[in-house]
Amino acid sequence: EDQVTQSPEALRLQEGESSSLNCSYTVSGLRGLFWYRQDPGKGPEFLFTLYSAGEEKEKERLKATLTKKESFLHITAPKPEDSATYLCAVQAGGAQKLVFGQGTRLTINP
Amino acid sequence: GAGVSQSPSNKVTEKGKDVELRCDPISGHTALYWYRQSLGQGLEFLIYFQGNSAPDKSGLPSDRFSAERTGGSVSTLTIQRTQQEDSAVYLCASSLVSGEGETQYFGPGTRLLVL
Repeated sequence: EDQVTQSPEALRLQEGESSSLNCSYTVSGLRGLFWYRQDPGKGPEFLFTLYSAGEEKEKERLKATLTKKESFLHITAPKPEDSATYLCAVQAGGAQKLVFGQGTRLTINP
Repeated sequence: GAGVSQSPSNKVTEKGKDVELRCDPISGHTALYWYRQSLGQGLEFLIYFQGNSAPDKSGLPSDRFSAERTGGSVSTLTIQRTQQEDSAVYLCASSLVSGEGETQYFGPGTRLLVL
């Protein structure tokens, strides 16, 4: 069974304090790993798709990386508006569905 | 352009009543998905539609749940004889095609509360 585990569950940082969120996965035949951001009361907002180990993608203060076992979402010099829950999901095997982790709730204090 | 829309935004119902939730996907998207997000839980897959193919219903939790997609566009998720454990946020997503690593775009969700 495909599994996705995110850590930590929650993370508090000061504005400007860089850190990383982890997404570990166990799947049969990874076809894509997705990062989403979810604000309270809203649907997930797409950030990145990674397809193969070694791939990296960047957007503003966020950078996503992928290995054969895990993905990291690095956040550099975060701002309070980066506060949200960050979700990791995989698409694997012959299935079209996404399998999600439980998310990391990130709070950036000014 | 317009994103995925869902209605209603919020729904409060009594235990035992039936509810219908609606999803309008992004125009031109052929694949449509329903997920459920319960308090403190991750997103859980419910059902998937792709064009005229038979839907993948493998995630539906019981036979009280059903969904249809009319004309390859709008979808309705129906929950019959609602139970308190059905309380959750129901999210709809669509993608251009159901190919490898195809990005799914989510709507704002319908928050269902069963009293």
